Amino acid sequence: DVVMTQSPLSLPVTLGQPASISCRSSQRLVYSDGNTYLSWFHQRPGQSPRRLIYRVSNRDSGVPDRFSGSGSGTDFTLKISRVEAEDVGFYYCMQGTLWPWTFGQGTKVEIK
Amino acid sequence: QVHLVQSGAEVKQPGASVKLSCKTSGYTFTHYGISWVRQAPGHGLEWMGCISAYNGNTRFTQNFQGRVTLTTDTSTNTAYMELRSLRSDDTAVYYCTRDPPSTTAAAMFDYWGQGSLVIVSS
Repeated sequence: DVVMTQSPLSLPVTLGQPASISCRSSQRLVYSDGNTYLSWFHQRPGQSPRRLIYRVSNRDSGVPDRFSGSGSGTDFTLKISRVEAEDVGFYYCMQGTLWPWTFGQGTKVEIK
Repeated sequence: QVHLVQSGAEVKQPGASVKLSCKTSGYTFTHYGISWVRQAPGHGLEWMGCISAYNGNTRFTQNFQGRVTLTTDTSTNTAYMELRSLRSDDTAVYYCTRDPPSTTAAAMFDYWGQGSLVIVSS
């Protein structure tokens, strides 16, 4: 199985400051159609995960443009340009390229 | 608007079975599939398996092969997940999420249900 490794696992941030989460996969994530199926999800306490980013860098509808995804191959990054209070919670990367689909361990973002 | 609405919480004894539902609306059910993902208390997300609402094909991770049955009812646009031989470590919130119509296609997970809590305890 593809192992997804996130860092850091805990990220205290200051409101209005940037934040960055890394996700590394144990194998390259390029699918047979040439796309890379790496997604990012945000989960607030007591809520379902919400997809923010799909195929590395595409924002889902309604996701603020302060969120951006980048990367290729085995290294991927989620960036928040200016953290807002509603951004707290857990962030997960997930690969949907190589069966079985696997998630990172999660990164807890909290306000300092 | 796409909605996935899951059934309520369940409390089961070890060794029992549980069957959860995921009722969908707002899209053509048979044009997509459904994946099931679980989250144990204080833990991360674990993909269990998926089913195509188009042709009923299923795919499971090794952890759940033989213990999980996925079905769909195209007359009510509802997906079901049955987990058998429950153990205490099956205590978790179980989510359904939308997927492509082919079980061999790359994952989508664009819409999620609200989750169903299953507690396994004697």
